Amino acid sequence: DAGITQSPRHKVTETGTPVTLRCHQTENHRYMYWYRQDPGHGLRLIHYSYGVKDTDKGEVSDGYSVSRSKTEDFLLTLESATSSQTSVYFCAMGQGNEQFFGPGTRLTVL
Amino acid sequence: AQSVTQPDIHITVSEGASLELRCNYSYGATPYLFWYVQSPGQGLQLLLKYFSGDTLVQGIKGFEAEFKRSQSSFNLRKPSVHWSDAAEYFCAVYGSSNTGKLIFGQGTTLQVKP
Repeated sequence: DAGITQSPRHKVTETGTPVTLRCHQTENHRYMYWYRQDPGHGLRLIHYSYGVKDTDKGEVSDGYSVSRSKTEDFLLTLESATSSQTSVYFCAMGQGNEQFFGPGTRLTVL
Repeated sequence: AQSVTQPDIHITVSEGASLELRCNYSYGATPYLFWYVQSPGQGLQLLLKYFSGDTLVQGIKGFEAEFKRSQSSFNLRKPSVHWSDAAEYFCAVYGSSNTGKLIFGQGTTLQVKP
């Protein structure tokens, strides 16, 4: 969806380093989500936000933190990246019962 | 707990043939169900959704899905597949009344033979 972007689109980093992924939306949606996609697992929810400064954990939140200081931005931080966090990360925005997804960030942790 | 199962990891069909992708869900109340498609290197695009009412729902790109409560299923169908339909397909259920969280199946990869 054109109203939601992610940066960077690709990143390679080393084990132990912190990494921050950014999601930006222009649709003023209240809800935003971070998922990771891994083969055989579909998409799994990491964290989500239901408003500025309001966030909660998803099913795979260990090792991740998030922040939302503005409606349009939702940041995902890997505090100390591990190889198990190599994945494709998708951000989504939602209102009501529908979500719209960003293009994804491919993260490789060496 | 809510869950979604897509029994077929990989399906291959010939171009022009019909397609059915299976999805089974576990959810205590009336589910809100979705099908998304992901083309290689792309994000997810919503194909169709079911909230209530008519159990046969029409989506984009000629896809349809039928909700069958008795079978806890929401199978996706297309009468004639095109080569451009080759992609990964995800079924999802809306897992919470307050947060909009989606629970996804594992995905089915569709390959289309010429």
